[in-house]
Amino acid sequence: DQQVKQNSPSLSVQEGRISILNCDYTNSMFDYFLWYKKYPAEGPTFLISISSIKDKNEDGRFTVFLNKSAKHLSLHIVPSQPGDSAVYFCAASQANTGNQFYFGTGTSLTVIP
Amino acid sequence: GAVVSQHPSWVICKSGTSVKIECRSLDFQATTMFWYRQFPKQSLMLMATSNEGSKATYEQGVEKDKFLINHASLTLSTLTVTSAHPEDSSFYICSARAWAPGHNEQFFGPGTRLTVL
Repeated sequence: DQQVKQNSPSLSVQEGRISILNCDYTNSMFDYFLWYKKYPAEGPTFLISISSIKDKNEDGRFTVFLNKSAKHLSLHIVPSQPGDSAVYFCAASQANTGNQFYFGTGTSLTVIP
Repeated sequence: GAVVSQHPSWVICKSGTSVKIECRSLDFQATTMFWYRQFPKQSLMLMATSNEGSKATYEQGVEKDKFLINHASLTLSTLTVTSAHPEDSSFYICSARAWAPGHNEQFFGPGTRLTVL
């Protein structure tokens, strides 16, 4: 059972515009969420995280929004750059238990120059 | 961020042989390391959780006798694929957990591509 879902397998955005990647989860016990970026044949790179006590966390061009009632989070990248082209995975976990991360299936972002 | 290395980055082996993959946390101590497997165009699938000094916890459907995990120190975990077969060909990624109250990041290694002929 896929507890974390990314329903858009791919997204194309013009350089300089905003990229919005979405993620939904089903387990209400999740309280810590992360976004990872992955290039082909490389391990994922941590981008940004958010705990359930917040609804927004910003780091440079990357902002993660969390809507707990909807069990939905999103990653905004603005302005998008060609180097942002990669696969983005969202992940969810229970922070205090240190349990495993549950990953979404990924969204492949292409930023068009 | 914290650095995790994997070795080798790419290995090709004959069917029936065993392959060992190393995962090291280079600048922090990791009491817990995770091993993932990724098939093309699919998500990361957790295979097992490795705790230093104790037996690994395997996910359902993962054969513990085939995928041997050893976490002998706070900076090293190894995954040995025993009697590898072509269907074991995949991209194997480890991660190390740097845990602190309120934080639970996993830092990933670069991955190891295993090709079994």
